[in-house]
Amino acid sequence: KAGVTQTPRYLIKTRGQQVTLSCSPISGHRSVSWYQQTPGQGLQFLFEYFSETQRNKGNFPGRFSGRQFSNSRSEMNVSTLELGDSALYLCASCREAVATYNEQFFGPGTRLTVL
Amino acid sequence: DQQVKQNSPSLSVQEGRISILNCDYTNSMFDYFLWYKKYPAEGPTFLISISSIKDKNEDGRFTVFLNKSAKHLSLHIVPSQPGDSAVYFCAANTGNQFYFGTGTSLTVIP
Repeated sequence: KAGVTQTPRYLIKTRGQQVTLSCSPISGHRSVSWYQQTPGQGLQFLFEYFSETQRNKGNFPGRFSGRQFSNSRSEMNVSTLELGDSALYLCASCREAVATYNEQFFGPGTRLTVL
Repeated sequence: DQQVKQNSPSLSVQEGRISILNCDYTNSMFDYFLWYKKYPAEGPTFLISISSIKDKNEDGRFTVFLNKSAKHLSLHIVPSQPGDSAVYFCAANTGNQFYFGTGTSLTVIP
């Protein structure tokens, strides 16, 4: 069974540009969550999508947005990139919506560097 | 506001000895706690979990302890092996969202 896949794995952008990251969950999983990992900050929750609807959102500015398609694949978009957006962006999938005792399965991440 | 904290960024342990990784949390609504392990260039993988109604859970060499009164969680690895060298994240769940700590980098010295 294929795991969570994320594309691209590495990305270099300049300030002011926008970027779109993609995540394909494990087959049969309907929930996709996005996290930002930076040194010293751990994994910061961005948002969760379930059945094409944003179910939960973390404390990030509106420049960060996402969507989920009918096949559960998800995309995350960051507009007007800032230097501080440089991070590892991780996607995690769950069979159902995130709830107690649910297990999340993570992809390898997309390393975004903003110059 | 960091609701889950790992105050030790790194830990070095000799092979065969015990590794103890610690985690503190502030939100009393957390009802499920997990540990994840992360190797470079890979996503975190689930290691072990514990429900808030328990105080201990074991899985082979890994044991997680929960002290609800102190809002403290720990992961014990016995015996430690070089392959355990990785970054360990603790996480907590309120029922609809996971909160992660900042991670502890464990190095097991052969």
